[in-house]
Amino acid sequence: ILNVEQSPQSLHVQEGDSTNFTCSFPSSNFYALHWYRWETAKSPEALFVMTLNGDEKKKGRISATLNTKEGYSYLYIKGSQPEDSATYLCALFTFQKLVFGTGTRLLVSP
Amino acid sequence: DVKVTQSSRYLVKRTGEKVFLECVQDMDHENMFWYRQDPGLGLRLIYFSYDVKMKEKGDIPEGYSVSREKKERFSLILESASTNQTSMYLCASSFLREEEQYFGPGTRLTVT
Repeated sequence: ILNVEQSPQSLHVQEGDSTNFTCSFPSSNFYALHWYRWETAKSPEALFVMTLNGDEKKKGRISATLNTKEGYSYLYIKGSQPEDSATYLCALFTFQKLVFGTGTRLLVSP
Repeated sequence: DVKVTQSSRYLVKRTGEKVFLECVQDMDHENMFWYRQDPGLGLRLIYFSYDVKMKEKGDIPEGYSVSREKKERFSLILESASTNQTSMYLCASSFLREEEQYFGPGTRLTVT
């Protein structure tokens, strides 16, 4: 059974704090790594799709890095805002499908 | 903007009923997916389809079937609903399988 692990499970930070989460996955059979943001009562939305070892992607205050050899990806949020409160999902694309982690739930207090 | 819609946000059904969950996407995507989300578990793939009338089993297909008669529409069918199928069901679509998926708002199904 393929395991994609995310840590921490949940995180509570203050507005303005920077934070990061981890996604770990088996490095064999890697094809792509996806990050999604899922806000309450909304649909999950793609943040990044990463395919290359050493890849770094950025969207506003959110960035992600990828290490395919050791099997991990980091998601960083700089200067968290209350609107960043959401569950952040990573998913490994392998064997023609996505395998999701259980997510990191982020709460940003004003 | 890609839009994926699902027929209901909330649904309550009785054990043994046949349940249809409908999903429609408007961006001519080849691939469509059905997932379920349960507390403490990641999104789990039930079925997916890469073309009209084509389907493949995901990780947890037991108790479900699917139908894709038109490219834009992908239906999930619970032939005889059971209480362990109470869950949040999410539909998604993508142009290529490895590309980002676009999700619908989800259907929270309760089977009593």
